[in-house]
Amino acid sequence: AQKVTQAQTEISVVEKEDVTLDCVYETRDTTYYLFWYKQPPSGELVFLIRRNSFDEQNEISGRYSWNFQKSTSSFNFTITASQVVDSAVYFCALSEARPAGRRALTFGSGTRLQVQP
Amino acid sequence: DTEVTQTPKHLVMGMTNKKSLKCEQHMGHRAMYWYKQKAKKPPELMFVYSYEKLSINESVPSRFSPECPNSSLLNLHLHALQPEDSALYLCASSLHLRADYEQYFGPGTRLTVT
Repeated sequence: AQKVTQAQTEISVVEKEDVTLDCVYETRDTTYYLFWYKQPPSGELVFLIRRNSFDEQNEISGRYSWNFQKSTSSFNFTITASQVVDSAVYFCALSEARPAGRRALTFGSGTRLQVQP
Repeated sequence: DTEVTQTPKHLVMGMTNKKSLKCEQHMGHRAMYWYKQKAKKPPELMFVYSYEKLSINESVPSRFSPECPNSSLLNLHLHALQPEDSALYLCASSLHLRADYEQYFGPGTRLTVT
C-alpha cells in the first residue's frame, strides 16, 4: 500500500530564512509519481511540481528546489529566502501507475509553514 | 488557462435540505474529482469521473450523489447531510485519469451543515 509521511506538522521561520519540508513515501510500485501542492489560506491547492520515479534529477524553480532520493524514499522541498507569501500548508502526494484505473493521489498529512516578517 | 471554478463559495444547509455543488473547467480535461477536506487534514478522495463515467467511488455515503453532465461540468448533490459532513469540498481535474497527470484544484466550497 502507498503511504506518504510528512513528519513536520508545523514550521515557523523568519522571512529570508531557508526552509526544507520533508516528505518520505512508501510504495511497492516501480513506476510512481510524486507531487507537491501548496494550499494557501484561500483554500485552493496549487500544483507545484511532479516527479516520476525514473528521474532523480533535482529541480530548481526560482526560490524553490526539490531533492528526490530513491535510496531514502524521500522527496524534500526547499524554499530559499522565504517570504511571507510562502505561508501555506504544503502537501506531498504520491500516485502509482498501477493498478490501472485506480491512479488516485495519496496525500501526506501536510506541513503548515508560517513565515514571519 | 488552468482554472477550475466552484460554486457556491460558501454554503450553509440544514440536515433536511437538498443542495448542489457545482464545478466547471474548460481545459479539455477528461478526468474530474471530488475531494472532502476537514480542517488540518489532507484532502480525501470521494469520487472520480473519467470521460463522464464514474470510475472511483471511495465508499461515500449515498447522501452524496455525484453527476457529470458533460466533460466540463461536475456536480455534487447533497441530501440529508449530517453535521460531521461540514468540510471544504474541493473539485479537481486532470487531462486524463493517469498517475502522471497533475490535478488542478478549484477554490472549494465551504459547507456547514446545521
